Amino acid sequence: QKEVEQNSGPLSVPEGAIASLNCTYSDRGSQSFFWYRQYSGKSPELIMFIYSNGDKEDGRFTAQLNKASQYVSLLIRDSQPSDSATYLCAVNTGANNLFFGTGTRLTVIP
Amino acid sequence: DTGVSQDPRHKITKRGQNVTFRCDPISEHNRLYWYRQTLGQGPEFLTYFQNEAQLEKSRLLSDRFSAERPKGSFSTLEIQRTEQGDSAMYLCASKAESGNTIYFGEGSWLTVV
Repeated sequence: QKEVEQNSGPLSVPEGAIASLNCTYSDRGSQSFFWYRQYSGKSPELIMFIYSNGDKEDGRFTAQLNKASQYVSLLIRDSQPSDSATYLCAVNTGANNLFFGTGTRLTVIP
Repeated sequence: DTGVSQDPRHKITKRGQNVTFRCDPISEHNRLYWYRQTLGQGPEFLTYFQNEAQLEKSRLLSDRFSAERPKGSFSTLEIQRTEQGDSAMYLCASKAESGNTIYFGEGSWLTVV
């Protein structure tokens, strides 16, 4: 069983719409959760992280965490073509590294 | 703060040759990580240093791979007798002791022909 699972997509949304990206994880002891954005051929860059159940907002981005369901999501409001990228969910289980999902490819259509 | 720096950015090598990548972490970050990423996959953990001590190695890291961080600052990742399956992007990342976030370098692309 994979540690972190994401729908690989591609997910296509029109410009200005809300993009919803989902992630599930297997280790109930997981402590912190991260969303990274990765443009083609580039390295991952951190968008935001969340530790506690509920929502965390940062500009157009909202991370949602439900530890009981072992579910993390990322909402992108007012999606822009520049948001087109692969979004990686990563989980810290308390060990000294992050476990990554395979990423969801998002395309925002102008 | 110049970010995590990796060198070289791209390397093409013939199968069987040895290659070495260098990583300079963000200054004062005592934790340093190496990950490998292949097309369509997320980064996979290879190894982790706290200062100069290599504290964890993934089962993915075969005997042909060795990493060092001799003075607790920069790190090197060497791959001996490269194979075509080693072709990937090798990512270095660092984190402060008290921080929660791992920051990635721009990666080193390896192509084994």
